Amino acid sequence: AQKITQTQPGMFVQEKEAVTLDCTYDTSDPSYGLFWYKQPSSGEMIFLIYQGSYDQQNATEGRYSLNFQKARKSANLVISASQLGDSAMYFCAMRENWGAQKLVFGQGTRLTINP
Amino acid sequence: DVKVTQSSRYLVKRTGEKVFLECVQDMDHENMFWYRQDPGLGLRLIYFSYDVKMKEKGDIPEGYSVSREKKERFSLILESASTNQTSMYLCASKLGRGLYEQYFGPGTRLTVT
Repeated sequence: AQKITQTQPGMFVQEKEAVTLDCTYDTSDPSYGLFWYKQPSSGEMIFLIYQGSYDQQNATEGRYSLNFQKARKSANLVISASQLGDSAMYFCAMRENWGAQKLVFGQGTRLTINP
Repeated sequence: DVKVTQSSRYLVKRTGEKVFLECVQDMDHENMFWYRQDPGLGLRLIYFSYDVKMKEKGDIPEGYSVSREKKERFSLILESASTNQTSMYLCASKLGRGLYEQYFGPGTRLTVT
C-alpha cells in the first residue's frame, strides 16, 4: 500500500507567487517524521524541512513551511514568493517510528517556475 | 558541510557484467543507504547499513548486494547487471538513530545495454 502520496505530477507557477505541494501519508504508528526534499536537475537531493508527529507547531525554514494537518494525514509544503531557482522535483518522505532508519518517499512533483 | 560522494555520475555497462557503485561520506555517519530512483516511482530503498559490516535489506534488494568494510564507504554491487537495473542510483548517509535528515550524494545514472 502506498504510504506517501503526491497527487501532482507537475505544477506550473508564476515567479513570486506562493505554491503549495500536496502530500498525504498513511501510518498507524503514532510516532513518525515527515520530510521534504528538493531535487534540482543536477540530481542531488537537498533536505528542506522536517515535521515530527508530536510537534505542536508547523515547521518553517525561510521561505518553506510545512502545513501539517494530522487528522487529515497531510503534510503539504508551502513555498512563499517562488523564485526561478525553485524549479525542481520535490519529494515528500516519511519515517515511521523514531528508531527506524528507513525513509519512504512519494512519487514526486515537478515544479516549474515561469518568469 | 556533510559531503557524500559517488564514484561516477554516469555509467554504461553491458548485460551480465558485475557492477560496483561506490559511495563515500566524510562526516562519520553511522547509517548509509542505497536507493534507486525511477520516474513515477520516487526513491525506493535497496539496502542500508547501520554500522560497519552490518546491513539490512530495503524494499527492493533482489539482484543487488552491498558491502561496508569501512565506516565511510558503502558499496552497491550488481552481481550480473540486467537491463531492468537501468536507473538513477542515490547514496545517502545519516547520523545516529535520532531525528536526523539523510544527506544525499549526486547520484549515478546507470545504463545497462
